[in-house]
Amino acid sequence: GAGVSQSPSNKVTEKGKDVELRCDPISGHTALYWYRQSLGQGLEFLIYFQGNSAPDKSGLPSDRFSAERTGGSVSTLTIQRTQQEDSAVYLCASSLGLVGGNIQYFGAGTRLSVL
Amino acid sequence: DAKTTQPPSMDCAEGRAANLPCNHSTISGNEYVYWYRQIHSQGPQYIIHGLKNNETNEMASLIITEDRKSSTLILPHATLRDTAVYYCIVRVGSGAGSYQLTFGKGTKLSVIP
Repeated sequence: GAGVSQSPSNKVTEKGKDVELRCDPISGHTALYWYRQSLGQGLEFLIYFQGNSAPDKSGLPSDRFSAERTGGSVSTLTIQRTQQEDSAVYLCASSLGLVGGNIQYFGAGTRLSVL
Repeated sequence: DAKTTQPPSMDCAEGRAANLPCNHSTISGNEYVYWYRQIHSQGPQYIIHGLKNNETNEMASLIITEDRKSSTLILPHATLRDTAVYYCIVRVGSGAGSYQLTFGKGTKLSVIP
């Protein structure tokens, strides 16, 4: 596709349920990033994938959060046993990698609401 | 990443040039200046970046002072759709220090009809 695609655009769930958020990066981009943005706040880095290298998971806030990237393309961010503080917009970005300015292009995000 | 300072808000009349300043007095020699913007309820959008030369693309121009301690993003003919929060970021352009984007509070630009 022309840009980064995220689904669903909105997700409402009950506390304690698991959720899966999907990101489809720009074709040919080897790097993929997940960020979180709470209301009125800046970006919070969660995880970074680069090609076949081990991902940088240093930003994941707890072991309830995990992410995978299959076949070097689509990525899924999973949150288990959701809590109300997980409510935020989850943003995915992709880039050509850590070269050439590493310009990250973002999707529209998934707005997660945990009731 | 070097710290940046931006005014919290600015107004601009529709059709006029919007000039958004950014101070980055502690910038290192290998750090680039990037600009992103975020329109309400949308993901951040890349605008432009540069190292030391002025840059222009279809969206904007970036003017970097000779000492690189400050820069200005110029939207030549602002439209209502340019109303957004604009973020100035300074970081290395490649390698391990380049992948985590950190946004400050940015400048909320309001384009007024």
